[in-house]
Amino acid sequence: DVKVTQSSRYLVKRTGEKVFLECVQDMDHENMFWYRQDPGLGLRLIYFSYDVKMKEKGDIPEGYSVSREKKERFSLILESASTNQTSMYLCASSPPSGLGRQETQYFGPGTRLLVL
Amino acid sequence: QQPVQSPQAVILREGEDAVINCSSSKALYSVHWYRQKHGEAPVFLMILLKGGEQKGHEKISASFNEKKQQSSLYLTASQLSYSGTYFCGTGSGGYNKLIFGAGTRLAVHP
Repeated sequence: DVKVTQSSRYLVKRTGEKVFLECVQDMDHENMFWYRQDPGLGLRLIYFSYDVKMKEKGDIPEGYSVSREKKERFSLILESASTNQTSMYLCASSPPSGLGRQETQYFGPGTRLLVL
Repeated sequence: QQPVQSPQAVILREGEDAVINCSSSKALYSVHWYRQKHGEAPVFLMILLKGGEQKGHEKISASFNEKKQQSSLYLTASQLSYSGTYFCGTGSGGYNKLIFGAGTRLAVHP
Protein backbone atom coordinates (compact mmCIF):
# COMPACT_ATOMS: atom_id res chain seq x y z
CA ASP A 1 0.00 0.00 0.00
CA VAL A 2 1.12 3.50 -0.80
CA LYS A 3 1.77 5.46 2.33
CA VAL A 4 1.88 9.24 2.52
CA THR A 5 2.54 10.65 5.96
CA GLN A 6 2.42 14.20 7.24
CA SER A 7 4.40 15.36 10.23
CA SER A 8 1.50 16.71 12.28
CA ARG A 9 -2.26 16.23 12.33
CA TYR A 10 -2.87 19.47 14.21
CA LEU A 11 -0.74 22.57 14.51
CA VAL A 12 -1.27 25.90 16.25
CA LYS A 13 1.01 28.81 15.35
CA ARG A 14 1.12 32.55 15.90
CA THR A 15 0.93 35.23 13.23
CA GLY A 16 4.38 35.94 11.81
CA GLU A 17 5.90 32.58 12.70
CA LYS A 18 7.69 30.49 10.10
CA VAL A 19 5.89 27.20 9.72
CA PHE A 20 7.16 23.95 8.21
CA LEU A 21 4.82 21.20 7.09
CA GLU A 22 6.51 17.93 6.18
CA CYS A 23 5.30 15.19 3.87
CA VAL A 24 6.94 11.83 3.24
CA GLN A 25 5.93 9.12 0.77
CA ASP A 26 7.31 5.60 0.64
CA MET A 27 6.50 4.61 -2.96
CA ASP A 28 9.34 6.29 -4.81
CA HIS A 29 6.89 8.61 -6.58
CA GLU A 30 8.29 11.35 -8.76
CA ASN A 31 5.39 13.78 -8.34
CA MET A 32 4.37 15.39 -5.07
CA PHE A 33 1.73 18.03 -4.37
CA TRP A 34 0.60 20.40 -1.65
CA TYR A 35 -3.05 21.47 -1.42
CA ARG A 36 -5.09 23.49 0.97
CA GLN A 37 -8.67 22.53 1.62
CA ASP A 38 -11.28 25.04 2.71
CA PRO A 39 -15.05 24.55 3.09
CA GLY A 40 -16.90 25.17 -0.14
CA LEU A 41 -13.69 25.61 -2.14
CA GLY A 42 -12.45 22.04 -2.42
CA LEU A 43 -8.75 21.30 -2.81
CA ARG A 44 -6.61 24.06 -4.27
CA LEU A 45 -3.09 23.38 -5.48
CA ILE A 46 -0.37 25.43 -3.80
CA TYR A 47 2.80 23.90 -5.29
CA PHE A 48 3.89 20.69 -6.89
CA SER A 49 7.20 19.01 -7.61
CA TYR A 50 8.01 16.56 -10.38
CA ASP A 51 11.55 15.72 -9.31
CA VAL A 52 14.11 16.45 -6.62
CA LYS A 53 14.79 20.18 -6.43
CA MET A 54 12.18 20.82 -9.14
CA LYS A 55 9.03 22.71 -8.25
CA GLU A 56 6.24 24.61 -9.92
CA LYS A 57 3.64 27.01 -8.63
CA GLY A 58 0.07 25.88 -8.43
CA ASP A 59 -3.01 28.06 -8.32
CA ILE A 60 -2.44 29.77 -4.95
CA PRO A 61 1.32 29.95 -4.22
CA GLU A 62 1.35 33.38 -2.57
CA GLY A 63 2.70 33.27 0.97
CA TYR A 64 4.11 29.75 0.56
CA SER A 65 7.33 28.14 -0.57
CA VAL A 66 8.41 24.52 -0.89
CA SER A 67 11.51 22.40 -0.66
CA ARG A 68 12.30 19.01 -2.11
CA GLU A 69 15.82 17.92 -1.28
CA LYS A 70 15.06 14.19 -1.34
CA LYS A 71 12.67 12.27 -3.53
CA GLU A 72 10.53 11.00 -0.69
CA ARG A 73 10.13 14.29 1.16
CA PHE A 74 8.28 17.46 0.17
CA SER A 75 8.07 20.36 2.60
CA LEU A 76 5.66 23.28 2.59
CA ILE A 77 6.89 26.47 4.22
CA LEU A 78 4.81 29.38 5.39
CA GLU A 79 7.40 32.15 5.54
CA SER A 80 5.36 34.38 7.85
CA ALA A 81 2.11 32.76 8.90
CA SER A 82 -1.06 34.82 8.68
CA THR A 83 -4.57 34.14 9.95
CA ASN A 84 -5.87 33.64 6.41
CA GLN A 85 -3.58 30.63 6.13
CA THR A 86 -5.62 28.78 8.73
CA SER A 87 -6.72 25.73 6.80
CA MET A 88 -6.37 22.00 6.24
CA TYR A 89 -3.22 21.17 4.28
CA LEU A 90 -3.06 17.97 2.26
CA CYS A 91 -0.04 16.42 0.67
CA ALA A 92 -0.26 13.94 -2.21
CA SER A 93 2.08 11.93 -4.40
CA SER A 94 1.80 10.11 -7.70
CA PRO A 95 3.93 8.13 -10.11
CA PRO A 96 4.80 9.83 -13.39
CA SER A 97 2.20 9.82 -16.15
CA GLY A 98 3.08 8.32 -19.50
CA LEU A 99 1.79 8.18 -23.01
CA GLY A 100 -1.91 7.43 -22.77
CA ARG A 101 -1.62 6.79 -19.08
CA GLN A 102 -2.76 8.92 -16.21
CA GLU A 103 -1.89 8.04 -12.67
CA THR A 104 -3.90 8.94 -9.62
CA GLN A 105 -2.74 10.83 -6.58
CA TYR A 106 -2.40 9.33 -3.11
CA PHE A 107 -3.13 11.62 -0.20
CA GLY A 108 -1.78 11.98 3.28
CA PRO A 109 -4.09 12.41 6.28
CA GLY A 110 -3.74 16.20 6.33
CA THR A 111 -2.50 18.81 8.77
CA ARG A 112 -5.05 21.14 10.28
CA LEU A 113 -3.27 24.43 10.87
CA LEU A 114 -4.63 27.19 13.06
CA VAL A 115 -2.86 30.56 12.94
CA LEU A 116 -3.69 32.86 15.85
CA GLN B 1 -10.47 26.67 -14.09
CA GLN B 2 -12.14 24.73 -11.30
CA PRO B 3 -14.69 22.11 -12.49
CA VAL B 4 -18.24 22.56 -11.26
CA GLN B 5 -19.81 19.79 -9.23
CA SER B 6 -23.53 19.31 -8.76
CA PRO B 7 -25.40 18.90 -6.59
CA GLN B 8 -23.57 20.48 -3.67
CA ALA B 9 -25.20 18.07 -1.23
CA VAL B 10 -27.33 14.93 -1.33
CA ILE B 11 -29.26 13.14 1.41
CA LEU B 12 -30.22 9.51 0.77
CA ARG B 13 -31.81 6.59 2.52
CA GLU B 14 -29.96 3.30 2.38
CA GLY B 15 -30.60 1.55 -0.91
CA GLU B 16 -31.34 4.70 -2.90
CA ASP B 17 -29.34 5.81 -5.92
CA ALA B 18 -27.53 9.06 -6.59
CA VAL B 19 -25.72 10.79 -9.44
CA ILE B 20 -22.99 13.38 -8.97
CA ASN B 21 -21.91 15.49 -11.92
CA CYS B 22 -18.63 17.19 -12.71
CA SER B 23 -18.45 19.73 -15.54
CA SER B 24 -15.50 21.58 -16.95
CA SER B 25 -15.16 24.55 -19.29
CA LYS B 26 -11.85 23.14 -20.54
CA ALA B 27 -11.24 20.10 -22.71
CA LEU B 28 -10.62 17.14 -20.44
CA TYR B 29 -8.01 14.44 -20.70
CA SER B 30 -9.01 12.60 -17.56
CA VAL B 31 -11.38 12.76 -14.61
CA HIS B 32 -10.46 11.33 -11.20
CA TRP B 33 -13.04 10.67 -8.51
CA TYR B 34 -12.26 10.63 -4.79
CA ARG B 35 -14.27 10.20 -1.61
CA GLN B 36 -13.28 11.85 1.64
CA LYS B 37 -14.74 10.91 5.00
CA HIS B 38 -14.70 13.45 7.77
CA GLY B 39 -11.21 13.88 9.22
CA GLU B 40 -9.62 11.47 6.75
CA ALA B 41 -7.58 11.70 3.57
CA PRO B 42 -9.35 11.63 0.19
CA VAL B 43 -9.43 8.08 -1.16
CA PHE B 44 -9.20 7.32 -4.85
CA LEU B 45 -12.32 5.73 -6.37
CA MET B 46 -11.69 5.64 -10.09
CA ILE B 47 -10.19 7.35 -13.07
CA LEU B 48 -11.79 7.95 -16.46
CA LEU B 49 -9.72 8.66 -19.49
CA LYS B 50 -10.64 10.44 -22.66
CA GLY B 51 -12.14 7.91 -25.00
CA GLY B 52 -12.88 5.37 -22.30
CA GLU B 53 -14.92 4.56 -19.22
CA GLN B 54 -13.66 2.71 -16.23
CA LYS B 55 -15.49 1.13 -13.33
CA GLY B 56 -13.28 0.95 -10.32
CA HIS B 57 -14.98 0.61 -6.97
CA GLU B 58 -17.79 -1.32 -5.19
CA LYS B 59 -21.19 -0.46 -6.69
CA ILE B 60 -19.96 2.86 -7.96
CA SER B 61 -19.48 3.56 -11.63
CA ALA B 62 -18.88 6.61 -13.74
CA SER B 63 -19.12 7.95 -17.26
CA PHE B 64 -17.13 10.49 -19.22
CA ASN B 65 -18.82 12.56 -21.92
CA GLU B 66 -16.07 14.22 -23.93
CA LYS B 67 -18.42 16.36 -26.00
CA LYS B 68 -20.06 17.83 -22.93
CA GLN B 69 -16.78 17.88 -21.01
CA GLN B 70 -18.60 16.24 -18.16
CA SER B 71 -18.29 13.21 -15.96
CA SER B 72 -20.99 11.63 -13.83
CA LEU B 73 -20.53 9.37 -10.83
CA TYR B 74 -23.30 6.81 -10.22
CA LEU B 75 -23.86 5.38 -6.77
CA THR B 76 -26.37 2.53 -6.79
CA ALA B 77 -28.07 0.89 -3.82
CA SER B 78 -26.27 3.25 -1.47
CA GLN B 79 -24.83 2.00 1.80
CA LEU B 80 -24.10 3.89 4.99
CA SER B 81 -20.39 3.62 4.15
CA TYR B 82 -20.93 5.78 1.07
CA SER B 83 -21.36 8.88 3.21
CA GLY B 84 -18.68 11.49 2.71
CA THR B 85 -17.64 14.23 0.36
CA TYR B 86 -17.02 13.31 -3.26
CA PHE B 87 -14.51 15.27 -5.30
CA CYS B 88 -13.77 15.18 -8.98
CA GLY B 89 -10.34 16.16 -10.21
CA THR B 90 -9.77 17.02 -13.86
CA GLY B 91 -6.45 16.34 -15.52
CA SER B 92 -4.84 17.81 -18.58
CA GLY B 93 -2.07 15.23 -18.79
CA GLY B 94 0.99 16.96 -17.42
CA TYR B 95 2.64 15.63 -14.22
CA ASN B 96 -0.71 14.15 -13.13
CA LYS B 97 -1.67 17.62 -12.02
CA LEU B 98 -5.37 17.84 -11.15
CA ILE B 99 -7.83 20.64 -10.61
CA PHE B 100 -10.47 19.68 -8.07
CA GLY B 101 -14.11 20.65 -7.82
CA ALA B 102 -15.57 22.05 -4.62
CA GLY B 103 -17.03 18.68 -3.66
CA THR B 104 -20.46 17.08 -3.17
CA ARG B 105 -21.48 16.11 0.37
CA LEU B 106 -23.37 12.82 0.48
CA ALA B 107 -25.17 11.61 3.59
CA VAL B 108 -26.76 8.15 3.66
CA HIS B 109 -29.21 7.45 6.48
CA PRO B 110 -30.71 4.13 7.65
